[in-house]
Amino acid sequence: AQSVTQLGSHVSVSEGALVLLRCNYSSSVPPYLFWYVQYPNQGLQLLLKYTSAATLVKGINGFEAEFKKSETSFHLTKPSAHMSDAAEYFCAVIPSGGYNKLIFGAGTRLAVHP
Amino acid sequence: DAGVTQSPTHLIKTRGQQVTLRCSPKSGHDTVSWYQQALGQGPQFIFQYYEEEERQRGNFPDRFSGHQFPNYSSELNVNALLLGDSALYLCASSLAGGTSYEQYFGPGTRLTVT
Repeated sequence: AQSVTQLGSHVSVSEGALVLLRCNYSSSVPPYLFWYVQYPNQGLQLLLKYTSAATLVKGINGFEAEFKKSETSFHLTKPSAHMSDAAEYFCAVIPSGGYNKLIFGAGTRLAVHP
Repeated sequence: DAGVTQSPTHLIKTRGQQVTLRCSPKSGHDTVSWYQQALGQGPQFIFQYYEEEERQRGNFPDRFSGHQFPNYSSELNVNALLLGDSALYLCASSLAGGTSYEQYFGPGTRLTVT
């Protein structure tokens, strides 16, 4: 069964610093990959998605992610963190033939300090 | 354009009781998926409804059941509630056959079982 691993349950950065949230997937066939953000007491908002087009994907709020098949990775980055980026981030995959069923990682909580 | 809506926002039930959660999909969407998000964890897929039928199911017991109505709205029913059913229940809608594979999430229903 396909799975998603997010390295680091908590990441803390300074405002203005680079944000790097790691995600690795297990699949022999490149799946569809997503990053979602969840603010406290809210649902999930899609940040960006990879669906076998360009390997460098740009999303909302200045985030981007690069699909690397050789590393089975889809890490999320943002050049300069803002206080408003503090939230929980989830990497997710739709396996091939998965009827849009999302498989989520455990999440990474991002803290941004002044 | 209304997004995905869920009701109620919060719910407190006692062990052994039954609960019904409701979801209205984003306008134009015909597929509804339900996810359970326990505290500190990523969402787990419960099941998905399309054309008023359960199309696929995650690893959840039969106590969890659902329904989809002709207007594409959906209900999630949980019988014989257990303390472990306490979680945020998320509804997501999508368009079957769409190429974006995006799912739009509602704000969730927070269920507390005492």
